[in-house]
Amino acid sequence: EAQVTQNPRYLITVTGKKLTVTCSQNMNHEYMSWYRQDPGLGLRQIYYSMNVEVTDKGDVPEGYKVSRKEKRNFPLILESPSPNQTSLYFCASSLLPGTYSGANVLTFGAGSRLTVL
Amino acid sequence: AQSVTQLDSQVPVFEEAPVELRCNYSSSVSVYLFWYVQYPNQGLQLLLKYLSGSTLVKGINGFEAEFNKSQTSFHLRKPSVHISDTAEYFCAVSGPPKAAGNKLTFGGGTRVLVKP
Repeated sequence: EAQVTQNPRYLITVTGKKLTVTCSQNMNHEYMSWYRQDPGLGLRQIYYSMNVEVTDKGDVPEGYKVSRKEKRNFPLILESPSPNQTSLYFCASSLLPGTYSGANVLTFGAGSRLTVL
Repeated sequence: AQSVTQLDSQVPVFEEAPVELRCNYSSSVSVYLFWYVQYPNQGLQLLLKYLSGSTLVKGINGFEAEFNKSQTSFHLRKPSVHISDTAEYFCAVSGPPKAAGNKLTFGGGTRVLVKP
């Protein structure tokens, strides 16, 4: 089954304790992205990657890092989490934009709910 | 820069009644438009999309939306809702092909609560 898998689904941590949220897709997609969802704000893009070793900032990158060493994986790293990073996080992937008209359709993971105390 | 406004944060509706969720966007370039649905404790699922062609777009679960370029709107409709349509709905816009990032800009979401 074609899917985007995120882990963990739920995590409670404390301020300053480094954590990584993993994201893996099995669709051979070039494009991957991370979003955070906050009430009333919809989803906002954190980082994205157009291919292996190619990453760039989205709208709200502060406090986050990413890496893209393999095509299927795109982990989100919080080096020193703070309470304002408490949120619901989504990973998404798609074919490379512009390859055909449907390439802009993102497939989303089930989400990772993070609480930072 | 693009922005999306969903005019209603919550929409209560009775079962079998029609529902319309309003979405307006702003962009200086041509756009692709999407509606996603998020059921409780789940990820986002694509409901429908407008890429080009006919301005009336039909999606899954009986939903449809109409792209109105002059009013920069993409309202979502369903003629008769079911209890199972209780969810949060997100309107989103992305830029033209090959735009850097394939970024979706989302509206704030509309919670639909279907009452029996």
